Amino acid sequence: KQEVTQIPAALSVPEGENLVLNCSFTDSAIYNLQWFRQDPGKGLTSLLLIQSSQREQTSGRLNASLDKSSGRSTLYIAASQPGDSATYLCAVEKGNDYKLSFGAGTTVTVRA
Amino acid sequence: DGGITQSPKYLFRKEGQNVTLSCEQNLNHDAMYWYRQDPGQGLRLIYYSQIVNDFQKGDIAEGYSVSREKKESFPLTVTSAQKNPTAFYLCASSPGTGPDTQYFGPGTRLTVL
Repeated sequence: KQEVTQIPAALSVPEGENLVLNCSFTDSAIYNLQWFRQDPGKGLTSLLLIQSSQREQTSGRLNASLDKSSGRSTLYIAASQPGDSATYLCAVEKGNDYKLSFGAGTTVTVRA
Repeated sequence: DGGITQSPKYLFRKEGQNVTLSCEQNLNHDAMYWYRQDPGQGLRLIYYSQIVNDFQKGDIAEGYSVSREKKESFPLTVTSAQKNPTAFYLCASSPGTGPDTQYFGPGTRLTVL
């Protein structure tokens, strides 16, 4: 069974600092990996999707890398802002069956 | 506006009652999903459906039931057999072909009194 772990569980940084969020998974035979953002009491919003054949994806201040062989992904958020405060979840899809396995998330607080 | 709607936003249930959570999408997506989220845990898959009139159990299907009679609708019933139903329930959909993200609704918070 695929296990997805996110460390740390919570992170607090001053505004302007770069954020580094980690995700690890136990089974490297994945189809893709996704990063989501969740605001308190809300649904999830997709940030980035990395297919298994890709090493990274970028969108604005966000960059996500994928190392399948080591079972790791990292989400980088440059020049953090208070509006980046949220919980960030990673999820992996094992096969082409659309089923996702989620980590518990990292809750980020960016202090003004 | 295209998207996924869930209702109600908050739901209270007495022990022994069945309740049904609504999920509707107008994205013309083939696949739909139900997840449960508990504090400090990741989302866990309850049921999913890749096509109308077909659905499969996820990792924690016991005590839940679903139907998929229409492409745009995927209601979830939490039955009295579910021992610990208090949680945040999220519905999602995806196109169902090729690698694509899942699109989530705003969620329903169910509390058992």
